Amino acid sequence: DTEVTQTPKHLVMGMTNKKSLKCEQHMGHRAMYWYKQKAKKPPELMFVYSYEKLSINESVPSRFSPECPNSSLLNLHLHALQPEDSALYLCASSQVPDSYEQYFGPGTRLTVT
Amino acid sequence: GQNIDQPTEMTATEGAIVQINCTYQTSGFNGLFWYQQHAGEAPTFLSYNVLDGLEEKGRFSSFLSRSKGYSYLLLKELQMKDSASYLCAVIYNQGGKLIFGQGTELSVKP
Repeated sequence: DTEVTQTPKHLVMGMTNKKSLKCEQHMGHRAMYWYKQKAKKPPELMFVYSYEKLSINESVPSRFSPECPNSSLLNLHLHALQPEDSALYLCASSQVPDSYEQYFGPGTRLTVT
Repeated sequence: GQNIDQPTEMTATEGAIVQINCTYQTSGFNGLFWYQQHAGEAPTFLSYNVLDGLEEKGRFSSFLSRSKGYSYLLLKELQMKDSASYLCAVIYNQGGKLIFGQGTELSVKP
């Protein structure tokens, strides 16, 4: 199983809503990542979890809150988002951090109204 | 900075060969990846280089020169399905921080 799954595929939320994005992998990978990708732009790193601990936070606003309940799951909790937060949110995993290919999930297309 | 530069767009003909170049800042370099991304889809891994030289994988090859901060992706026998964005990405230092270039939009014409 070389798959990273993400739910939901699409999400529309208002600026006062609270929602969560979910990511799962069963490859035994110990590093997991959240990226944000705007149209015609490359993915931008948001967070890195290494062995279930947050190791990198790329100065992401606190309205995005990551959580890693166990080695297979990664959540991104969303609260009080802005319309400019509309983007494709990609989850990825790798065997360990550093120098291993990252496998990407299909992404969640988020629209904030 | 960690500027990763690659051409914005390229056009090539079906059956031909195309080379997509990527330059990057060498300080803290820990490995270079190429990803392919079709519109509306997630990036898929193509190749990984950490040592100098050429890595060949079927129709795709990737080259790295660490001293020059330079890589290229070579696509042979182009097919229409190769039309996509090609992302050069570098891992710097430790910790898995992968920095992407802006991507090269490749259009393959009949």
